[in-house]
Amino acid sequence: DIQMTQSPSTLSASVGDRVSITCRASQSISNCLAWYQQKPGKAPKFLIYKVSSLESGVPSRFSGSGSGTEFTLTISSLQPDDFATYYCQQYNSYPYTFGQGTKLEIK
Amino acid sequence: EVQLVESGGGLVQPGGSLRLSCVASGFTFSGHYMDWVRQAPGKGLEWVGRTRDKGHRYTTEYAASVKGRFTISRDDSKNSLYLQMNSLTTEDTAVYYCTRVHQQFPGYDYLDYWGQGTLATVSS
Repeated sequence: DIQMTQSPSTLSASVGDRVSITCRASQSISNCLAWYQQKPGKAPKFLIYKVSSLESGVPSRFSGSGSGTEFTLTISSLQPDDFATYYCQQYNSYPYTFGQGTKLEIK
Repeated sequence: EVQLVESGGGLVQPGGSLRLSCVASGFTFSGHYMDWVRQAPGKGLEWVGRTRDKGHRYTTEYAASVKGRFTISRDDSKNSLYLQMNSLTTEDTAVYYCTRVHQQFPGYDYLDYWGQGTLATVSS
């Protein structure tokens, strides 16, 4: 199975900050990487597919980058609504696997 | 508007069985693969498995942790997805999410819509 490792596990930041979350795969996953946002008590929300393609309606302050085994989710200027937990997921080979999550907290 | 509504969660004893359902609306259900994803309390997301569409003979994929115990099925005439869970252990306690797969093609089979989830609790 492909292991997905996110860092950091927790990130403290302020409104207006630029933040980045890293996701590393244990082997190459081509460009089959997605990002999801989850708020407490809610279902995850799909944000990004194929590493860097934003889902319709997702604010442009979100961006994704990377290739092969290392990927990054960047939020250019944090807004109050962005404080949540973020998960990466590889969908290159079964079983599809998620990172352990990164909790983005208000500093 | 795409909607996925799960039901069937509840309390079951270890070794027991539970069947979860998901009713879909707002899109052509028969044309999409569908996945189940679960989340244990306070933990991260775990992909459970997938059912493909009629054109791909409703074939399935499973995570190793549930293979042989869980069965994913669907009834396109009812726009419904199911997860039959047998031989349950306390490790299966989780919120189970029904998810839609965007498209069947490689690179595009990500999970674009999620239901609100249903909680299955395995405890004596």
